[in-house]
Amino acid sequence: KQEVTQIPAALSVPEGENLVLNCSFTDSAIYNLQWFRQDPGKGLTSLLLIQSSQREQTSGRLNASLDKSSGRSTLYIAASQPGDSATYLCAVRDSNYQLIWGAGTKLIIKP
Amino acid sequence: NAGVTQTPKFQVLKTGQSMTLQCAQDMNHNSMYWYRQDPGMGLRLIYYSASEGTTDKGEVPNGYNVSRLNKREFSLRLESAAPSQTSVYFCASGGQGVTDTQYFGPGTRLTVL
Repeated sequence: KQEVTQIPAALSVPEGENLVLNCSFTDSAIYNLQWFRQDPGKGLTSLLLIQSSQREQTSGRLNASLDKSSGRSTLYIAASQPGDSATYLCAVRDSNYQLIWGAGTKLIIKP
Repeated sequence: NAGVTQTPKFQVLKTGQSMTLQCAQDMNHNSMYWYRQDPGMGLRLIYYSASEGTTDKGEVPNGYNVSRLNKREFSLRLESAAPSQTSVYFCASGGQGVTDTQYFGPGTRLTVL
C-alpha cells in the first residue's frame, strides 16, 4: 500500500531564506507527484505536477524535484516571503490512478 | 468562473442526524471526488465518480453515500452521523490523465456532537 510522508510537520524560517520541503513515498509505481498549497480555512491549490518520467518542474520561485528510485521529492522555495506561509501537501497518483496524500508541512515565514 | 463550489461551509449535527453536502463544478470535468481531512493526516478519499453515471468507493466509504446528479454536481450524504465523522470535507474535480491535477472547493467543516 502506497504511503506518503512529509517531514517536518511544521517549519518556521525568517523571511528571505531559501527552504526545502520534503516528501517521501513507499512505492515507486506512480504516474505523477503533485505539490499543493492549503491556506487556513480554504481549499487546496495545485502548485506543481511532476510526471513520473520527469526529474523536476519549476514555477516562479518554486522548484520541485522527483527521484522515483529513492521515493523522494523536494519542494524548493527561493527567497521566502510572508505570503508563502501556508500548509504544503504532496500527493502521488498511484497505480490505481488515485491521489495518495501526505499530511503536509505547515510553513511559517517570519517577517 | 466559480470553479468548485461547496455548501454548506459549516455544519453542526447531533449523532444520528442526516445531511447532504453539495458540490458543483463548472470546468466540464468528467471526474469528481469527495475527501475528508483530519488533523495530522493526509486527505483520504471517500468516494469518487470517474464520469457521469458512475461512482466508486475510495479508502473510507463507510457511513457515506454519494450521488452524481449530472456532470456538474456530486453530492455526499451522511445517513446517520457519528462523532467519528467530524472532519473537514473537500470536493474536487479534475481529469484522470497523467498531466491532470485536481481542483478543490473551499471545504465544509462538519462537527458531529
